[in-house]
Amino acid sequence: QVQLVQSGSEVKKPGASVKVSCQASGYTFSTYTIHWVCQAPGQGLEWMGWINAGNGNTKYSQKFQGRVTITRDTSANITYLELSSLRSEDTAVYYCAREVHRVTTWYDKWGQGTLVTVSS
Amino acid sequence: DIQMTQSPSSLSASVGDRVTITCRASQNISTSLSWYQQRPGKAPNLLIYAASNLESGVPSRFSGSGSGTDFTLTIDSQQPEDFAAYYCLQSYTSPRTFGQGTKVEI
Repeated sequence: QVQLVQSGSEVKKPGASVKVSCQASGYTFSTYTIHWVCQAPGQGLEWMGWINAGNGNTKYSQKFQGRVTITRDTSANITYLELSSLRSEDTAVYYCAREVHRVTTWYDKWGQGTLVTVSS
Repeated sequence: DIQMTQSPSSLSASVGDRVTITCRASQNISTSLSWYQQRPGKAPNLLIYAASNLESGVPSRFSGSGSGTDFTLTIDSQQPEDFAAYYCLQSYTSPRTFGQGTKVEI
């Protein structure tokens, strides 16, 4: 079955970087786009960006532009989210999600989430 | 960017109630709208895609409607496991944008 399994929780100091992984299984990795979404404590969902797992094309939210990098390793079926220059406001749960493309698109599978805590 | 205005932000309901949540897009998004349920401490879960299509495995008491700018998620006969947060998402264009969420409480 289709699964997205994310890496474990992280604690980082302000100014550091974090790299979260999302391991895909149960489908042809290169035929889907993976999106990343974050959720600060007690807040709603916020879109961060996507990567086309086939050709590696990416698009990022303006809010995170310059600090976020999404990459993929097609040999291992893993997508990565890297966020740099961390600040306390980046404390959040980060989710990867698989996007289905039909006439329109939606997220049919989500990772379990990775909590990143930024604290001095 | 397309803004998604979701209402209400929270509501109280009883088991067996009919619950309606709305999302309004700041511009025409056709049917590029999906709905997600999120239980506390869990990842979101797809309920409805392309505005009105029920995801496989989702109970038929959930339904979606709308096109253009106005969309509705309806839960007929609210069940105990339905007390959760609900989000709409527009996928008409990037950046993708979510509604602010609706928390359905007992």
